[in-house]
Amino acid sequence: QSVLTQPPSASGTPGQRVTISCSGSSSNIGSYYVYWYQQLPGTAPKVLIYRNDQRPSGVPDRFSGSKSGTSASLAISGLRSEDEADYYCAAWDDSLTGVVFGGGTKLTVL
Amino acid sequence: EVQLVESGGGLVKPGGSLRLSCAASGFTFSNAWMSWVRQAPGKGLEWVGRIKSKTDGGTTDYAAPVKGRFTVSRDDSENTLYLQMDSLITEDTAVYYCTTPRKDSSAWLEYWGQGTLVAVSS
Repeated sequence: QSVLTQPPSASGTPGQRVTISCSGSSSNIGSYYVYWYQQLPGTAPKVLIYRNDQRPSGVPDRFSGSKSGTSASLAISGLRSEDEADYYCAAWDDSLTGVVFGGGTKLTVL
Repeated sequence: EVQLVESGGGLVKPGGSLRLSCAASGFTFSNAWMSWVRQAPGKGLEWVGRIKSKTDGGTTDYAAPVKGRFTVSRDDSENTLYLQMDSLITEDTAVYYCTTPRKDSSAWLEYWGQGTLVAVSS
């Protein structure tokens, strides 16, 4: 059971907008930045969103992040087939003195 | 260009030990905090532990499932990060990634290695 809660799966058709939620508590998301990672099949994860809503250079602006209270979400607009991947949220947790991840959301582009 | 190359994975019996290495290049290793993240087959990401730079105290933190069994260390003269894994159990079977957390936020894992597979089985 992961400390951060994500839906196990999400799907959409090309061009659609999908959102992935991430729920935590006051000891993690409620107090710290949220990060989103994208893991394409067979590869290592990479940072997609940092500090709640910032995109590293090279990440398309189709990807956006937000945070409110103890929850966060990742939105992907203009869905493309190459977005098919696993997405993870992460944050520091004060109570556990460590990084906690969501269980991951498998995004399928129909 | 930042490169992180893990090695040392393999098959080990329950109760056994293994030491993973991560060779780092492309950045000032001695100033960096480093961490390990693992991923069991078909499962999600799990943070294992981190080590701060010596100038920041060189202290370590561990996830509860590995605390007391795993040890993160570093050799700044060799630009290498280590993960000593003792008393291994089947649940430790995973791909282990070496990562570079930002000092201002350890959940910001900027760079990742390609991972090395550890299989614990009798």
